[in-house]
Amino acid sequence: AQSVTQLGSHVSVSEGALVLLRCNYSSSVPPYLFWYVQYPNQGLQLLLKYTSAATLVKGINGFEAEFKKSETSFHLTKPSAHMSDAAEYFCAVTPSGAGSYQLTFGKGTKLSVIP
Amino acid sequence: DAMVIQNPRYQVTQFGKPVTLSCSQTLNHNVMYWYQQKSSQAPKLLFHYYDKDFNNEADTPDNFQSRRPNTSFCFLDIRSPGLGDAAMYLCATSRDREETQYFGPGTRLLVL
Repeated sequence: AQSVTQLGSHVSVSEGALVLLRCNYSSSVPPYLFWYVQYPNQGLQLLLKYTSAATLVKGINGFEAEFKKSETSFHLTKPSAHMSDAAEYFCAVTPSGAGSYQLTFGKGTKLSVIP
Repeated sequence: DAMVIQNPRYQVTQFGKPVTLSCSQTLNHNVMYWYQQKSSQAPKLLFHYYDKDFNNEADTPDNFQSRRPNTSFCFLDIRSPGLGDAAMYLCATSRDREETQYFGPGTRLLVL
């Protein structure tokens, strides 16, 4: 079984400041990890994914995340927040291995960007 | 552009009146998923199709059914919507089961 914990249901940053959204996971097998972004009344858009290649993953819109096995973490960062980054962000995990489909989401972190 | 399309974007129905939500994809993916997302919550998987094989999650109510007449289309039928079924319904696709899921824009359902 796998689970995801996102620390902080709501994070506020100033425009231009560092964005750090935290995600910790548990998984009984090596995981695949994802970050999705959801704008109001929209579906989920894939930001980036980790599938056991490079541990530092670069995604769209200047976001990146680092897989740290020892810390069971996959935190999302962006050096400089933009107003358009205001949205809800979901971390998700799925077990690697043939036939696995169960994508388990965290509860989400709503990011506010202050002008 | 290859994509996942959901229609309608907003649906209003009456308590107990059957409703059907539609999803189509141009990605030619084998797997199609339906998720329910209530306000301020994470998406919850209802069921998925792997090609023509239907896979229901254990805790999905019987009130929810699905059809996949061909590779491109998948429907979510709610036989007797209750007030508690008001939510955003998200369709997703993936090339194979353990591959990345791509989501549509969602259909927001309101039950009066």
